Amino acid sequence: EVQLVESGGGLVQPGGSLRLSCAASGFTLSTYWMSWVRQAPGKGLEWVATLKGDGSEKYYVDSVKGRFTISRDNAENSLYLQMSSLRVEDTALYYCARNIMDVWGQGTTVTVSS
Amino acid sequence: QAGLTQPPSVSKGLRQTATLTCTGNSNNVGYQGAVWLQQHQGRPPKLLSYRNNDRPSGISERFSASKSGSTASLTITGLQPEDEADYYCSAWDSSLTAWVFGGGTKLTVL
Repeated sequence: EVQLVESGGGLVQPGGSLRLSCAASGFTLSTYWMSWVRQAPGKGLEWVATLKGDGSEKYYVDSVKGRFTISRDNAENSLYLQMSSLRVEDTALYYCARNIMDVWGQGTTVTVSS
Repeated sequence: QAGLTQPPSVSKGLRQTATLTCTGNSNNVGYQGAVWLQQHQGRPPKLLSYRNNDRPSGISERFSASKSGSTASLTITGLQPEDEADYYCSAWDSSLTAWVFGGGTKLTVL
């Protein structure tokens, strides 16, 4: 079964850091473009970052450039999102999604608050 | 980054047909078309359509997508109570090198 499972969310103070993980099963993550998409409470979907399958291209929404880094580990078949200098407005449910968004995880919640 | 434009809400009766729209530009919807996602409250999004009218396995034929210029549409026929959800369109923007989303349309089935 093709599946994505996110983890690593939590409560962090403004300015802090978190690393989100997305474990893939049922397919080889490195053969697909992969993305992180977030959804603030009561709001719509917002694209965060995308990584090409071979890792050669990375793209980010302007609001996270220089603060977030998308990466993957082939051996672990996992996608990551390293988040630093977190802001209150980064509070959201973070999903990982495959390719043209055909597979989504259940999401992991990030809360940035003092 | 500029987003796609969707009407905030649409209401239709049971067994009627709803058409949801999504307007972008020549760099996104007009370039490669849009994907359509359905999201029920408290659930992750689910892909309904991609490349304008390809449906993933398991998606009902009641959902069909199309595109005219830079506007994509999702038509849902024979509305059922379970179709009540939020619907999002999204497209890769070749100029921004970014995925852009619409703000979502809340579909109410009366």
